[in-house]
Formats: sequence, C-alpha cells, structure tokens
Amino acid sequence: GAGVSQSPSNKVTEKGKDVELRCDPISGHTALYWYRQSLGQGLEFLIYFQGNSAPDKSGLPSDRFSAERTGGSVSTLTIQRTQQEDSAVYLCASSLETTGFMNIQYFGAGTRLSVL
Amino acid sequence: GNSVTQMEGPVTLSEEAFLTINCTYTATGYPSLFWYVQYPGEGLQLLLKATKADDKGSNKGFEATYRKETTSFHLEKGSVQVSDSAVYFCALRAGKAAGNKLTFGGGTRVLVKP
Repeated sequence: GAGVSQSPSNKVTEKGKDVELRCDPISGHTALYWYRQSLGQGLEFLIYFQGNSAPDKSGLPSDRFSAERTGGSVSTLTIQRTQQEDSAVYLCASSLETTGFMNIQYFGAGTRLSVL
Repeated sequence: GNSVTQMEGPVTLSEEAFLTINCTYTATGYPSLFWYVQYPGEGLQLLLKATKADDKGSNKGFEATYRKETTSFHLEKGSVQVSDSAVYFCALRAGKAAGNKLTFGGGTRVLVKP
C-alpha cells in the first residue's frame, strides 16, 4: 500500500480480554516499529523488527505484551489479559533501511485501544 | 540513557506570529534529530530532520538547526498559519547500537488563532 496501514482504528475491550492489533507496513520496508502514545507516558517505544526477528524488545511493558512479524511484512501486537492502563493509541512505523541516513520512520494512523 | 526535553504547551499564537519550540536532548554518540507533527485526527508525519552537527532541516517554512554544542534542535517558523495548529514532537535516533528506535519528547501543542 501507499502508507502504513493499521487495523482496527478503534478497539474497545473489557478488562481481562486479549486483543490483537495489526500493522501492514509500506511495501519493501524491512524495519517495523511499534510505539505507544498515552496521556501519562507520551510516546514510548515498544518493539522493533528487522525482517521477522526482533532485535529490540526492550520497550514491552510486561509479559502480557508480545508481537510477531511474518513474511517480513505484516506484524501483530498482542496484549493478553488487558488492563485499564493499557488504554492508549498504539502506533506502528516502518522504514526502508535500518541504518544510515535513509532510516526514516513512517507512521500509521494508529489503533486507539480502550479497556473498560 | 537517551532523552528529549521539549517545552510544554500549549502555545497559543496569532496568525503570522513567530513560532519557536525549544528542544534539547541527551544521547550517547551522534544521534539523528527529527521533528514530527501530528495534526488533529491524523497520524505522526515527519516534518524535518538533521543527521549531523550544524545541519539545518527545513520544510513547509519550518526550520531547525542541529546544535551539538548546546545539544539542541529548536523548531522555528517565521509566520504561522491557522493550518499549523498541531502537536509537534522532537525526537532522536541514536543509531544501530540503540536499536534504531526513536526517543520522543513529550510533545508541544500549538494553537494558531486567526
């Protein structure tokens, strides 16, 4: 596609349920990133993929959070047993390269997650 | 660790006023610096970037200069328009050793009134 696509755009769930958030990066982009934007914490890095592997998972806040990427393309962020503090906008970004001056990250519109 | 500090908003201006948003950073090595903008109801968009000291990034009338001596990357625009109302984020990327992730400042909301 022309840009980074995220789905759903909005998700409302009940506390304790599992959710899956999807990111479809720009075609040909090898690197994919997940961030979280919340009122209290601002914009935080969660995890980064190079191809299908995740060299940096340092931002995942707990073991309830996991992510995978298959075929070097689509990525899914899964939150198990959601808590109210998980409510945030989850942003995905992709970049053509992982190093050098051309590593520009392009962001999707985000998934707004509300945990009731 | 790496961090970015930017002035808190909101910043309220009249159309055609001069805008400055201060941004300072702490990082190891030589980071690349970015300004992203988030218009109401939209996702983050790259506004401009600079990859080494003394580089000036510019786009849509906005400018920012990478100042290594003061570890700053202040955003400026000489004459703002109502359409510039948005949240502006300063960010750094410290490079491969730091995982290529972006570290963001807290964002500055700018409101331009006619």
